[in-house]
Amino acid sequence: DADVTQTPRNRITKTGKRIMLECSQTKGHDRMYWYRQDPGLGLRLIYYSFDVKDINKGEISDGYSVSRQAQAKFSLSLESAIPNQTALYFCATSVGGGGDQPQHFGDGTRLSIL
Amino acid sequence: RKEVEQDPGPFNVPEGATVAFNCTYSNSASQSFFWYRQDCRKEPKLLMSVYSSGNEDGRFTAQLNRASQYISLLIRDSKLSDSATYLCVVTRISSGSARQLTFGSGTQLTVLP
Repeated sequence: DADVTQTPRNRITKTGKRIMLECSQTKGHDRMYWYRQDPGLGLRLIYYSFDVKDINKGEISDGYSVSRQAQAKFSLSLESAIPNQTALYFCATSVGGGGDQPQHFGDGTRLSIL
Repeated sequence: RKEVEQDPGPFNVPEGATVAFNCTYSNSASQSFFWYRQDCRKEPKLLMSVYSSGNEDGRFTAQLNRASQYISLLIRDSKLSDSATYLCVVTRISSGSARQLTFGSGTQLTVLP
């Protein structure tokens, strides 16, 4: 979905490094989300934000932080990366008004921590 | 127990076959239900919502059984392009009034020529 752009698409880095994954959207959606996907575990929610001043922890927020710099931008940081954070990371957006709205995902960032 | 459970498959079916996927959820307070489709190494995309009365979209039929906490997806006349992983998704109320999506780990379908 070109309307939700994630950078970088792939990243290999070493244990202990600080990493930032960026997400920007042109859909005009208020709500943004960060998920990680691991084989056999499905997508798990890391953090979500319903507007610029709103940040909420998801199911697995430990070891991660986020920043909602503007309505269109939501970045995810790994302050000190560890190998078990190796995963496929997705950013998603949705309109407000309830949980029944579909989520629109970016192409994903494949992150490997050595 | 996982909050949303799916048979991981893989399901390998010939073109034209009918295939059904099942999904169970553990939280009786779950409110909304969806099927998403994810192609290999791609992002998930909404396939269809699942309504209490059941609903159909072309070759796809979704059913919900709240009493049994069970959701199904039926695909008729399978096409090669239906090959993908199908994710069962459930929403629930989290802190305050916020709703969160919970994803199953997916069922892999391969349609064979």
